[in-house]
Formats: sequence, C-alpha cells, structure tokens
Amino acid sequence: AQSVSQHNHHVILSEAASLELGCNYSYGGTVNLFWYVQYPGQHLQLLLKYFSGDPLVKGIKGFEAEFIKSKFSFNLRKPSVQWSDTAEYFCAVTRPAHSGAGSYQLTFGKGTKLSVIP
Amino acid sequence: DVKVTQSSRYLVKRTGEKVFLECVQDMDHENMFWYRQDPGLGLRLIYFSYDVKMKEKGDIPEGYSVSREKKERFSLILESASTNQTSMYLCASRSRVNQPQHFGDGTRLSIL
Repeated sequence: AQSVSQHNHHVILSEAASLELGCNYSYGGTVNLFWYVQYPGQHLQLLLKYFSGDPLVKGIKGFEAEFIKSKFSFNLRKPSVQWSDTAEYFCAVTRPAHSGAGSYQLTFGKGTKLSVIP
Repeated sequence: DVKVTQSSRYLVKRTGEKVFLECVQDMDHENMFWYRQDPGLGLRLIYFSYDVKMKEKGDIPEGYSVSREKKERFSLILESASTNQTSMYLCASRSRVNQPQHFGDGTRLSIL
C-alpha cells in the first residue's frame, strides 16, 4: 500500500543539538512533498514544501529538507534546535486522487513529537 | 493570511446523535478537506471536495458524509455518532492542486 513513514515517534533533544527527522514515502512517479508543524494547542502550519528544482529546500524558522529521489526520502533538518521548536512534525506527500479528477490528496505520516529540553 | 474557521473547538455529543461540524474559509479556495487526527495515527483523510457540490471519499469515509453547497463552507456530518468517532477533526482548504493546504484550529469531538 502507498504510505508515508516517519521513523521516530518521539525525539528528545537538548537545546543547540542538531535535528534530523526521517520521512520515507512509497509512491512512484511525481510527488510533491511537505513538512507541517503543529505547536502545542495550535493549528498545523506549513514548514516547507518541495515541488521541483533544487532538492534542498529551505523553510521557515531555520528548517530545511532534502529530497533524495533514489531513496524516496524527504528528511527534515535543523542545525541547532531551540526550546520553541517543541512540537509535532508531520511529513506529507501528494498522490493522485482515485477519481483522476486532478485533485491531489495529501497523505500524512503518523507524526514525530519533538521535545527540546532547555 | 488564509483563515480557516471551524465552528467549535470542543464538542460533546451522545451516541446515536447526528453531528454537524462546520468549516468556513475566506480565501475563495477551490478545494476543501476533512481529516481526523488520532494519537499515533497522524492525520487521515475522511472526505474532500474540489468544487461546490463535488465530493470525494478519502481513506476513512465510513460513518461520515459531507456537504458543500457554497464554495466557502464545507460541512462534515456524523449520521449516527459512535464512540469510535471521538477524535480531533481538522478542516483544511487549498487554492488549487499543488498548493499547500491551510488548516483550521480543529474541533475536539467527544462522543459519550
């Protein structure tokens, strides 16, 4: 079955540590890739997206992600985390709708909770 | 800024009730979506709509229906609520294919 896998359920880091959250997807063909973040009590927000071009994309708040097509991966990175990065992070991938009507659905991974210790 | 507004942050209903969750977006977006979010399961798509009066089943449509009579409003209906529908429900909208989705704050629904 087509799916999006996030390798870590919960990651705990100290401030200033480097972060890498894994995301792998199983779709063939063209995909669009996203990372969303959900801070405690807030709505989901877009961190960054990849559609085409440079496979290293930069997002908000110092986050970046690298698309490696051969590995079906889109890992999220940040060189130095802060306490305010404590949140849940979701990787998402578009895939064609069943109807072929051209409306691409997002499939989400199960999320990774990041806790940053001051 | 895109604003996606869900009518309630918290809702408590009883088993067997018909439940309506409302979502309104203010950016004239074509596409709208309903998800449920459960711990350890991420977000799962219930239904989506790519235009007025159009709807498509997502991954878990059983027990739900939707209505999109106007472009800005997308309603999720639980025909006969059951306890396994206790969850956080998220609405999202998108201007068109290949654009990011914008999410509402969510409705935490408890079915007793």
